Amino acid sequence: EVQLLESGGGLVQPGGSLRLSCVASKFTFSYYAMSWVRQAPGKGLEWVSAISASGGNTHYAGSVMGRFTISRDNPQNTLYLQMDSLSAEDTAVYYCARENWNQVDYWGQGTLVSVSS
Amino acid sequence: QSVLTQPPSVSAAPGQKVTISCSGSSSDIGNNYVSWYQQLPGTAPRLLIYDNNKRPSGIPDRFSGSKSGTSATLGITGLQTGDEADYYCGTWDTSLRRVFGTGTKVTVV
Repeated sequence: EVQLLESGGGLVQPGGSLRLSCVASKFTFSYYAMSWVRQAPGKGLEWVSAISASGGNTHYAGSVMGRFTISRDNPQNTLYLQMDSLSAEDTAVYYCARENWNQVDYWGQGTLVSVSS
Repeated sequence: QSVLTQPPSVSAAPGQKVTISCSGSSSDIGNNYVSWYQQLPGTAPRLLIYDNNKRPSGIPDRFSGSKSGTSATLGITGLQTGDEADYYCGTWDTSLRRVFGTGTKVTVV
């Protein structure tokens, strides 16, 4: 069964930075595009960013454009999300997600990011 | 970034049927396949329906999906208490951004 394990969440002050990681296993990581999706407390799902299988193409939601950077290390089966200039509005559980053509077919368990002074 | 519109909540008795609508536009649903996700309390979402109406392995046929124009619908028949969850529709938009619905809470009364 596909496994996606996120890490790197925690408490950070406004204006600070954090890097999330997602280690993938039980599938050929380099074959799949990947996304980050977040969910603020008590709110719905919000797509954050996606990256192509090779890493050559990236896409971002308007709310994080210019502040977040998605990347991947295929030999290490790892997806990253570098988050800079964080604000309270970025507080959420961040899910790593595998893209399979038209849908997300697997989700990680999520990592909580809290932005507060 | 567009957001797909869903009703905030639906409810029905055990064994009954519920339908959840998902309304979008020609920039998203109108030009792409729709998927549906179930999020049980305190857990990560899981894929329920893909390509408008296909079920992944392990998803019972009580769950069904359809799409017409710029809207999609999820149906759940034979409602069970274990179906109480939040449900989200999703697709891509023409700017290659993934969009999700606002979410619908299903309650079994």
